[in-house]
Amino acid sequence: AQSVTQLGSHVSVSEGALVLLRCNYSSSVPPYLFWYVQYPNQGLQLLLKYTTGATLVKGINGFEAEFKKSETSFHLTKPSAHMSDAAEYFCAVITGFQKLVFGTGTRLLVSP
Amino acid sequence: DAGVIQSPRHEVTEMGQEVTLRCKPISGHNSLFWYRQTMMRGLELLIYFNNNVPIDDSGMPEDRFSAKMPNASFSTLKIQPSEPRDSAVYFCASSLGGRDNEQFFGPGTRLTVL
Repeated sequence: AQSVTQLGSHVSVSEGALVLLRCNYSSSVPPYLFWYVQYPNQGLQLLLKYTTGATLVKGINGFEAEFKKSETSFHLTKPSAHMSDAAEYFCAVITGFQKLVFGTGTRLLVSP
Repeated sequence: DAGVIQSPRHEVTEMGQEVTLRCKPISGHNSLFWYRQTMMRGLELLIYFNNNVPIDDSGMPEDRFSAKMPNASFSTLKIQPSEPRDSAVYFCASSLGGRDNEQFFGPGTRLTVL
């Protein structure tokens, strides 16, 4: 079965610092991978996705992720954190027809 | 477009009562999903529809849960009877279909069963 594992339930950074949120996947077929963000009391919003093609994917709000097959990873990065980036981030993989399977989430805390 | 619309946003009910959650997907989307989010289990897919037909309901916890999609612009998730362990945030999402298309999420319904 396809799954994703997010390392670290909480990540704390200072404003302006690099953001790195880790996601590893398990899949017997080429995976379609997604990162979603959830702000407090809101639904999820797509940050970026990898399906095929270029392994470095750029998303909204300055985030990007790199698909590394050799490491079965899809880590999310942003060069410089902003206070508004504080939220919960979910990595997900598509299984079957359209079924999204989410990781447990990583809460990003940004301090001034 | 207004995005995915869910109602109510908050629901507080007593154990044993029937609860109905409603969802209006984005116009033109042909796939609709119901998710549940809890601290213990995280985000889990309950059921999804394609062209108003249920495709996979393996995530529906038990017979107390049922979902319908009578037309392309409306879906309901019903819990009868409700139990305290059903307390969660329920999200509806819709997409154009296909594995690589984005699922757009609604704001969720926070359900509390006392």
